[in-house]
Amino acid sequence: GAVVSQHPSWVICKSGTSVKIECRSLDFQATTMFWYRQFPKQSLMLMATSNEGSKATYEQGVEKDKFLINHASLTLSTLTVTSAHPEDSSFYICSARDMRAQETEAFFGQGTRLTVV
Amino acid sequence: AQSVTQLDSQVPVFEEAPVELRCNYSSSVSVYLFWYVQYPNQGLQLLLKYLSGSTLVKGINGFEAEFNKSQTSFHLRKPSVHISDTAEYFCAVTVTSGTYKYIFGTGTRLKVLA
Repeated sequence: GAVVSQHPSWVICKSGTSVKIECRSLDFQATTMFWYRQFPKQSLMLMATSNEGSKATYEQGVEKDKFLINHASLTLSTLTVTSAHPEDSSFYICSARDMRAQETEAFFGQGTRLTVV
Repeated sequence: AQSVTQLDSQVPVFEEAPVELRCNYSSSVSVYLFWYVQYPNQGLQLLLKYLSGSTLVKGINGFEAEFNKSQTSFHLRKPSVHISDTAEYFCAVTVTSGTYKYIFGTGTRLKVLA
């Protein structure tokens, strides 16, 4: 299957700083990428959907000024958590699919554990 | 809108015993169905998927699932589990057109006991 690489796999940052998480599709063009957040022992909650070259579409209740998503190329999307606070600590997972290939499956990154102290 | 229900939050089972993890979905339009496994602090690994055709789907690691349209279910089964199957299992749906965003169930923690 296709590979999606997410970096970093874990990060610890101080409260008030910003953190950037990268999601790369290694062997296909990801016209659409999704960002999820997962709280401990809970399911994945979709945060936003991004299409290459367009603004991301955020789910209800997700602060778009806090969670900045950029999808400037067909192989890279980034999620920046701005002015992070301890309540932003979570596991963030991206997924990507190639809509033009009509792939029915989205491929997931390995996730990023963010801890804000 | 679509929704996924995984009624069992935890399922303990002894090694080499069979297991069934339940998944029910709700949707007014056609959907694709997936089962993923997640090990601690890792991403999701696809176990199997139903797109169309045969309602019995076989996946990796000896897992299989059956799509039942009338009962809107997609239960996951394995005839004999191993300790290494201990993990979190998620059922997910996506519509067959549009944004294809996934809706996940709340997950079932499978714990295989020695």
